[in-house]
Amino acid sequence: GESVGLHLPTLSVQEGDNSIINCAYSNSASDYFIWYKQESGKGPQFIIDIRSNMDKRQGQRVTVLLNKTVKHLSLQIAATQPGDSAVYFCAEKAGTASKLTFGTGTRLQVTL
Amino acid sequence: DAGVIQSPRHEVTEMGQEVTLRCKPISGHDYLFWYRQTMMRGLELLIYFNNNVPIDDSGMPEDRFSAKMPNASFSTLKIQPSEPRDSAVYFCASSLPPWDTIYFGEGSWLTVV
Repeated sequence: GESVGLHLPTLSVQEGDNSIINCAYSNSASDYFIWYKQESGKGPQFIIDIRSNMDKRQGQRVTVLLNKTVKHLSLQIAATQPGDSAVYFCAEKAGTASKLTFGTGTRLQVTL
Repeated sequence: DAGVIQSPRHEVTEMGQEVTLRCKPISGHDYLFWYRQTMMRGLELLIYFNNNVPIDDSGMPEDRFSAKMPNASFSTLKIQPSEPRDSAVYFCASSLPPWDTIYFGEGSWLTVV
């Protein structure tokens, strides 16, 4: 069936550097995408979202890029901080009534 | 905003016992979701409600699992009887229509021994 997958299960980044977390999706009908951050012992926390009519959206220190041609989504974190260490999930859905499908997650480790 | 509130945060129970997990969604949210998270299967949607009515329970593993939403501010997920393979983190989440962005609680960590 359709699924959302991640290329890298673990990403190690030095504090202050930029992080890029990637996500591939296979459902070409997906039109809404979300990035969640999950810290140890906590629930997933909404970071940023993007709809399929956009290819870029910026938040505070985060940017999401969407390439529909290759069905690829990325989350960029500027000036990565120790507090950014967490597991990051991408999620996608196709249409208002469809289910939100989560990827397997990428662990971001920030080294000092 | 208090966010989605779940209880208990942690529960350890013996196989065969009944487990009840509780959830209070964010006030005003019409959609409520129950997810299960394990290392092997990641985040799985078990069931979701719209205006207190169960809409899709196709993710519920088997008859041992049941969920109710008696009113807009309370939902339960019950496992009876519990088994060791039910050990997981159970998340409740809620959303406004058209349930694009889902907000999660802190989870209930269940261990069945």
